Amino acid sequence: GEDVEQSLFLSVREGDSSVINCTYTDSSSTYLYWYKQEPGAGLQLLTYIFSNMDMKQDQRLTVLLNKKDKHLSLRIADTQTGDSAIYFCAEMSSNTGKLIFGQGTTLQVKP
Amino acid sequence: DGGITQSPKYLFRKEGQNVTLSCEQNLNHDAMYWYRQDPGQGLRLIYYSQIVNDFQKGDIAEGYSVSREKKESFPLTVTSAQKNPTAFYLCASRRDSYNYGYTFGSGTRLTVV
Repeated sequence: GEDVEQSLFLSVREGDSSVINCTYTDSSSTYLYWYKQEPGAGLQLLTYIFSNMDMKQDQRLTVLLNKKDKHLSLRIADTQTGDSAIYFCAEMSSNTGKLIFGQGTTLQVKP
Repeated sequence: DGGITQSPKYLFRKEGQNVTLSCEQNLNHDAMYWYRQDPGQGLRLIYYSQIVNDFQKGDIAEGYSVSREKKESFPLTVTSAQKNPTAFYLCASRRDSYNYGYTFGSGTRLTVV
């Protein structure tokens, strides 16, 4: 079945780069997404990548996609305390149009 | 501005009561979704609707009910049959183009007292 896995916690120092990793199982997924959730709030779409792309860059965010290994990563350059949040990886099921979410990675940024 | 509005932000329920969570969108999206979020478990799909007057069960539909009488509205009722309803509930909608993903509301935190 469809499944998305993420590590649960990442701690970095302010100014360092953060790399959040994700693996997925549905090889037919056409879109993969990264969402950010701040405490007590809904999810905010950060970026997405189409399955025929290897990389996408958007300001401080870089998404890398390895289709062979079904591995997705989100790199945040120059991480700030405001980046502290839960980050969710998600794949869009091409069969149902439903988003399948990972468990979320809590990013802690220490000053 | 277009968006999704969930209300109330906080809701307290006594055991044995049904409660209804509101979700309204003015994005003209056809598809709408309800998720439940528990700490460390990510998001689990409760119900979804791809068109007015039609909806399907998600992965954890037991103890919940929905209706979709209008395109803009997708209310969720948490019934007394739901044994552990304390959670954060998120509503989302999706436009036809998948590259935009889902748009989420700000959530309702339900607590059983």
